[in-house]
Amino acid sequence: KAGVTQTPRYLIKTRGQQVTLSCSPISGHRSVSWYQQTPGQGLQFLFEYFSETQRNKGNFPGRFSGRQFSNSRSEMNVSTLELGDSALYLCASSLADFGSGDEQYFGPGTRLTVT
Amino acid sequence: KQEVTQIPAALSVPEGENLVLNCSFTDSAIYNLQWFRQDPGKGLTSLLLIQSSQREQTSGRLNASLDKSSGRSTLYIAASQPGDSATYLCAVTNYGGSQGNLIFGKGTKLSVKP
Repeated sequence: KAGVTQTPRYLIKTRGQQVTLSCSPISGHRSVSWYQQTPGQGLQFLFEYFSETQRNKGNFPGRFSGRQFSNSRSEMNVSTLELGDSALYLCASSLADFGSGDEQYFGPGTRLTVT
Repeated sequence: KQEVTQIPAALSVPEGENLVLNCSFTDSAIYNLQWFRQDPGKGLTSLLLIQSSQREQTSGRLNASLDKSSGRSTLYIAASQPGDSATYLCAVTNYGGSQGNLIFGKGTKLSVKP
């Protein structure tokens, strides 16, 4: 079974631009979560999607948004990029088996550099 | 607010040594705790998942324990190898929260010297 895939793997953008990152979950997984990883803050939760609905959102400004499609694929968008948005963006998927602890599987990440 | 702490931040050991990585969390109301491995510039690889009702999980040379009442977990690595060098992260899912919302520690960077 293929793992979680993320595209693109690397991106270089200029301040003020916007960017869209894509995540394809493991087949059969219904939940997709996004995380930002920086050296200073570590891994921080951005948002989670299940059945095309945002189920939870972390403490990030409205410039960060996302969506999920009917095939469970997800995209996240960052508008008006700032230097501080430079980070590794990780996507995770899970079965979303409610009522039990759900193992999260991560993709390889997208490295975003804002200049 | 749940906080996850990992000590030490970095650890260097000679090959063959058994070692223990520590993880503590402030709120014991969790669904589960998961240990991950991250190689430089890469994504996270899931190592072990411990449900809140379990005390430990084992996979090969790895053994993870969970003491929910004291807010602690340990990851035991037996007979360490240079290939074990990586950053190890623990993460919890809060009970009553979204199960896709993991709260991570800052990690322990492990270096195993040949």
